[in-house]
Amino acid sequence: EAQVTQNPRYLITVTGKKLTVTCSQNMNHEYMSWYRQDPGLGLRQIYYSMNVEVTDKGDVPEGYKVSRKEKRNFPLILESPSPNQTSLYFCASSPHRDYGYTFGSGTRLTVV
Amino acid sequence: RKEVEQDPGPFNVPEGATVAFNCTYSNSASQSFFWYRQDCRKEPKLLMSVYSSGNEDGRFTAQLNRASQYISLLIRDSKLSDSATYLCVVNIGGYQKVTFGIGTKLQVIP
Repeated sequence: EAQVTQNPRYLITVTGKKLTVTCSQNMNHEYMSWYRQDPGLGLRQIYYSMNVEVTDKGDVPEGYKVSRKEKRNFPLILESPSPNQTSLYFCASSPHRDYGYTFGSGTRLTVV
Repeated sequence: RKEVEQDPGPFNVPEGATVAFNCTYSNSASQSFFWYRQDCRKEPKLLMSVYSSGNEDGRFTAQLNRASQYISLLIRDSKLSDSATYLCVVNIGGYQKVTFGIGTKLQVIP
């Protein structure tokens, strides 16, 4: 089944403890992206990647890192999480800009 | 001005009604346009792409007006299952910088 898989689905962590949210797609898509969704603010793009080793900042990249060492994987790294990073995170992939994105099921992160 | 603007609603409509959503965008260089549907606490799902010539998929019709920089979504014969939030999405330029509108909440009532 063609899909984008994120893990974990739920995560509660403490301020400052490094964490990684994994994202993997099995559709051989070139484009991948991370979003966060907050009430009243909608979905905001954190980082995106156009291919292996090619990444760029979205609208809200501060406090996040990404890497794209393989085509299928695009992990999101929070080096020192803070409570304002508590949010619902989505990973997504697309074969081309004209085709729209397929989203993962989301990761609900709480930083206390 | 926000890059993509939508009326957040909620729109409460009776079953069988026709409802229309509009979305405006600020960057005239925008090249790709989409409507997504998002159910509560779930991931967004692509509903349809939007083309200049307009496109239709069953009860759903999408239109793009480049001159006025807006896109629209029309839902005919609303079903209870259409209740969701509808997100307008704009892709700017030759890369994947994608901006979502805040979404319009639709509630179809019996």
